Amino acid sequence: LAKTTQPISMDSYEGQEVNITCSHNNIATNDYITWYQQFPSQGPRFIIQGYKTKVTNEVASLFIPADRKSSTLSLPRVSLSDTAVYYCLVGPYTGGFKTIFGAGTRLFVKA
Amino acid sequence: NAGVMQNPRHLVRRRGQEARLRCSPMKGHSHVYWYRQLPEEGLKFMVYLQKENIIDESGMPKERFSAEFPKEGPSILRIQQVVRGDSAAYFCASSLSGQNNEQFFGPGTRLTVL
Repeated sequence: LAKTTQPISMDSYEGQEVNITCSHNNIATNDYITWYQQFPSQGPRFIIQGYKTKVTNEVASLFIPADRKSSTLSLPRVSLSDTAVYYCLVGPYTGGFKTIFGAGTRLFVKA
Repeated sequence: NAGVMQNPRHLVRRRGQEARLRCSPMKGHSHVYWYRQLPEEGLKFMVYLQKENIIDESGMPKERFSAEFPKEGPSILRIQQVVRGDSAAYFCASSLSGQNNEQFFGPGTRLTVL
């Protein structure tokens, strides 16, 4: 199972773009990369998922280089409400995720 | 369309008692996943179920823990003879299918074992 490595924490200011990078050197051919956001006392919320290159939705962008050994979650113009823990997951296309979420990256957005 | 519902939200048990956690998936979802989260840690996968079937229980402790997802009613995670180390937040998620569809998480049940 691919293990992921993320920074423990990051600080930012309102209006800035935030990029959180996740390393997954042992990613398998059939693994997808998924990012979740978790606020205190709540369950995680799906943000974005991708396999390669770039994926964009209304919330974020996900950049995946050709070797897929890392990925970068990009949050444009963050606000105070984006303060949360962000998890990078790598797992197979089918079935439930066995992968451990890991400690995630605690993003703190300041005014 | 209500989201994933879990109850109770908070559960206090004494050592040796049983804890029963319930999860109602989103309407139309037939895939349920249970995760455990210790303080300041990420979620750890426990079990993946479809209606009446356990698909993957590789994350479940071998003893005292069991899960079911009956044809009718919610999915239930049961912990027998709880110990202090079982204190954690237990999250349930559901998805429309098992094809890596987005998982929708419930608010969690916080279990405290005294």
